[in-house]
This record gives sequence, structure tokens and C-alpha cells, in this order.
Amino acid sequence: SQQGEEDPQALSIQEGENATMNCSYKTSINNLQWYRQNSGRGLVHLILIRSNEREKHSGRLRVTLDTSKKSSSLLITASRAADTASYFCATDAFGDYKLSFGAGTTVTVRA
Amino acid sequence: EPEVTQTPSHQVTQMGQEVILRCVPISNHLYFYWYRQILGQKVEFLVSFYNNEISEKSEIFDDQFSVERPDGSNFTLKIRSTKLEDSAMYFCASSADRGNTEAFFGQGTRLTVV
Repeated sequence: SQQGEEDPQALSIQEGENATMNCSYKTSINNLQWYRQNSGRGLVHLILIRSNEREKHSGRLRVTLDTSKKSSSLLITASRAADTASYFCATDAFGDYKLSFGAGTTVTVRA
Repeated sequence: EPEVTQTPSHQVTQMGQEVILRCVPISNHLYFYWYRQILGQKVEFLVSFYNNEISEKSEIFDDQFSVERPDGSNFTLKIRSTKLEDSAMYFCASSADRGNTEAFFGQGTRLTVV
């Protein structure tokens, strides 16, 4: 299985602080995507990073990818209460039609 | 902004009954998917669909499951005889291409089998 595994499982921070979570996977990937899920709701696409990319930014989000370590990180800067959610990484392999999801990191931002 | 829409948002069904979950993917997308998430667990791949046929399916997607694109806009997942363990959130997703493009998910249908 090449499923991503997020670390930590849960994270609690104060509003305004940065939140960092990591994702590790087992086999070579084509892309890695990060999603956000508010409690009991749908998956919102945050960012896609390709295997030949090392870093991407989108607003307050910064994603890194280290294919040699088979890991990715998601940084949320200047967190807000609205960032409270579960965050998942999902990978796909070359020639694959599916995404493999990790178990997610639950982030709680305290006001 | 285009989005994937799913109906119903919540379905309660008796064990053994058939259910059909409906999805309208983003209009110019060519690849369609169903995933499920049992409460408290990971999101799991069920099936992918391209060019009017299944391109890949998981072990979960057994003979009780089927997918169809009955017209140019809808994409459905049918569960023929539901079991208690089918209770989950079912997500539809679509993407413009197979690789190097984002997969966008709908809000999900929460299926409860009683």
C-alpha cells in the first residue's frame, strides 16, 4: 500500500500560530494532494504538488515534498478558528486511477 | 466555481434494500470516482470510471456495487442489497485527467443502513 500517513494525529494551537503536519507514504508517487474536511462534511481540495516539485504555496498554505524521504508537509500560517478541520494527504501513483488517503491530522485552532 | 454535487445528503435505508447515490461531476471532467469513509476511518477508494466503463475498482467494490453514467451529466453508485457495514459517507469525485490534475470531491452522501 502506498497510503499516506499523517503525523501528528491531532494538533491544537492558538489562533495566529502556525500549524505543521506531515505525511509519509511508501511507494513512488505521481502527485500528492492535500484536502481539508470539516467535521462530517465533504473534502475540500487545498493543493496539489507533483513529484518533480519541491514546494508550493497557496495563500497561507505551504506544501513541501521530499521524494527521497517519501514525505510531505503542510504548513498553515497565521491560523484562524476557521482552519479547525481534519487535513488529509492523498497520493496517486503513475498509471493509477485512484487516490490513497492517510488517516488525517485533526487540527483545532483555539480562539 | 464549478463543483461536484451529490444527492441526497443523507439516506437511511433498511438492510437488504437497494440504494442509488447520485452525483453530478464537474461538466468538463472526464474521470469519475466513488470513495467512501466509514465513521472515524480513512477515505477508501471504491471505483473509477472513464469513457463509460470502469477503469479500476477496489476489493470493496464487489458484485453488490455498480456504477452508471445514465446520461451526460449524472454518475450513480448503486448498492443492490445493503448491509449494516455499508453505512458510511460516500463521496463522488471527478477530475479533468487521470494524472497531474486535481480531483474535486462532492459534499458526500451519508448512508445509514438500519
